[in-house]
Amino acid sequence: NAGVTQTPKFQVLKTGQSMTLQCAQDMNHNSMYWYRQDPGMGLRLIYYSASEGTTDKGEVPNGYNVSRLNKREFSLRLESAAPSQTSVYFCASRGQGLDTEAFFGQGTRLTVV
Amino acid sequence: TQLLEQSPQFLSIQEGENLTVYCNSSSVFSSLQWYRQEPGEGPVLLVTVVTGGEVKKLKRLTFQFGDARKDSSLHITAAQPGDTGLYLCAAYSQGGSEKLVFGKGTKLTVNP
Repeated sequence: NAGVTQTPKFQVLKTGQSMTLQCAQDMNHNSMYWYRQDPGMGLRLIYYSASEGTTDKGEVPNGYNVSRLNKREFSLRLESAAPSQTSVYFCASRGQGLDTEAFFGQGTRLTVV
Repeated sequence: TQLLEQSPQFLSIQEGENLTVYCNSSSVFSSLQWYRQEPGEGPVLLVTVVTGGEVKKLKRLTFQFGDARKDSSLHITAAQPGDTGLYLCAAYSQGGSEKLVFGKGTKLTVNP
């Protein structure tokens, strides 16, 4: 039971570098999400995708882009990393219905120096 | 500003004590969820409440959804060290949106 898989688990970037965080789910879920988690801030929604081919901005989308490559995969790209993007990033997915559970990956710990 | 306000932000208690954490908003929700997160892991769902006034029990945890569906509480009876973690409430934005947002969380420490 893989569930939601995120890669990489850890990454250190220099300011200005770019990178893509990968997320894949094997539960045939329509909706996928990217969050960032900073101390004392809970989870803040960056982008989400309600279905294959659609993406929408969340609470903190600036500095990020996303791609819903297919139903399984939802990637998050940092075009020019900044120290303010140092955070733990979580991907999640869930099935249809407003009371369904969101399943989370293990997280990616990103440090921008 | 966050849609969901949680309080308290931090809570440190002794084993055996009772506690309540709160999740409040000015918005009405069709449902509200509570998650628990342990260090180094993603959040895991504890419960979903759907009906105004609903009370759900999960062993020593009692969850309540306000009558107006704007707020919720989590009560833990006789807390144990294993209850230590970050408790997060979450809800979907209005209008059937798939946008799932979280509160800032309550970090609970239960000391033996």
